[in-house]
Amino acid sequence: ETGVTQSPTHLIKTRGQQVTLRCSSQSGHNTVSWYQQALGQGPQFIFQYYREEENGRGNFPPRFSGLQFPNYSSELNVNALELDDSALYLCASSLRGGEDTGELFFGEGSRLTVL
Amino acid sequence: TQLLEQSPQFLSIQEGENLTVYCNSSSVFSSLQWYRQEPGEGPVLLVTVVTGGEVKKLKRLTFQFGDARKDSSLHITAAQPGDTGLYLCAGAGNAGNMLTFGGGTRLMVKP
Repeated sequence: ETGVTQSPTHLIKTRGQQVTLRCSSQSGHNTVSWYQQALGQGPQFIFQYYREEENGRGNFPPRFSGLQFPNYSSELNVNALELDDSALYLCASSLRGGEDTGELFFGEGSRLTVL
Repeated sequence: TQLLEQSPQFLSIQEGENLTVYCNSSSVFSSLQWYRQEPGEGPVLLVTVVTGGEVKKLKRLTFQFGDARKDSSLHITAAQPGDTGLYLCAGAGNAGNMLTFGGGTRLMVKP
């Protein structure tokens, strides 16, 4: 139990649709990162949010966007879904500054299937 | 672009055997982390190594960070079925904990 919760756990969409994934970070954490993990591969960094602003971004197109709310929870939005977007989407919370240990605490992920 | 390559990709061994997993890059990382991920769950941090040449031990697991901070290894002694899972290395650059993950090593330990 990492204290990071993600919803939904599973969902199925069709090409061209839009999806919103949600993440509640661990209590006391102020930073949320999102990763995409395709089947049989390691996670790939999508972006990170700190103080409600995007703090860094990986090699993902603009149709991947996000939000962080004042309570540090976060959303990942993907527009115009493509078949290759099928993956496990992982949210990780961490504490930046002060007692930052660099450790990420991952949720169990949201498994998205695009048909 | 920083890349991390893990080897082997798959490893199936008998209980009691030893094994080593390698994580290599041409880039320097400020720190390197090892995670273990089980089916249906997110990765869980095992260890963070920060200093070149650093060696950390966690029970039967030994982690080493290369002198140049470009590579790392994970050695498991006397593997047990409970060690089965996906082992991931991840490097952090100077921008903090925006991690670059390797492709993972899927370990199966048979009783």
